[in-house]
Amino acid sequence: AQSVTQLDSHVSVSEGTPVLLRCNYSSSYSPSLFWYVQHPNKGLQLLLKYTSAATLVKGINGFEAEFKKSETSFHLTKPSAHMSDAAEYFCVVSDSNFGNEKLTFGTGTRLTIIP
Amino acid sequence: GAGVSQSPRYKVTKRGQDVALRCDPISGHVSLYWYRQALGQGPEFLTYFNYEAQQDKSGLPNDRFSAERPEGSISTLTIQRTEQRDSAMYRCASSLVGPAGGNNEQFFGPGTRLTVL
Repeated sequence: AQSVTQLDSHVSVSEGTPVLLRCNYSSSYSPSLFWYVQHPNKGLQLLLKYTSAATLVKGINGFEAEFKKSETSFHLTKPSAHMSDAAEYFCVVSDSNFGNEKLTFGTGTRLTIIP
Repeated sequence: GAGVSQSPRYKVTKRGQDVALRCDPISGHVSLYWYRQALGQGPEFLTYFNYEAQQDKSGLPNDRFSAERPEGSISTLTIQRTEQRDSAMYRCASSLVGPAGGNNEQFFGPGTRLTVL
């Protein structure tokens, strides 16, 4: 069965400093991995996705993530945090080889930006 | 263009009542998904459709939950004899092509927050 573990439920960083949100995955097949962001009172928005192409994936708003098979990790990073980055972030896995795109979400990491 | 819409946005009901939640996907999207998100948790898969066919309903928690998409567009998630544990945010998503296609990003709606008293 596929699963993801988000190692931190809450991360606080100062504006202008780097962001690191950690995610480990478990999948029987070569997975597709995603990061979604959820701003307060808004829907989920796709930040970036990995689908077995380049291991370093660039997304929107300056975020990127690196797929590391040896570590079963897919951590999300951003060099410099902005106040608008404050939101809930979800690491997501999909076992594409099963023939559907059922997404399995992690429990989320709440990112707080300190002015 | 219009995104995925859901109605109602908020629903308060009494235990034992039936509720119907509606999802209107992006026009032309083939696949439609339902998820449930409890407070403080990530969304959990319930069921999904390709056109009007329900391909996977393995996430529906019990037989009080059902979903349909009769014309391959709008979908309704129905919960019968609601219980307090059904209280959650119910999210719908749609994607342009089916699972075998290349562009399968799921676009999420704003959700329906269901509260069962």
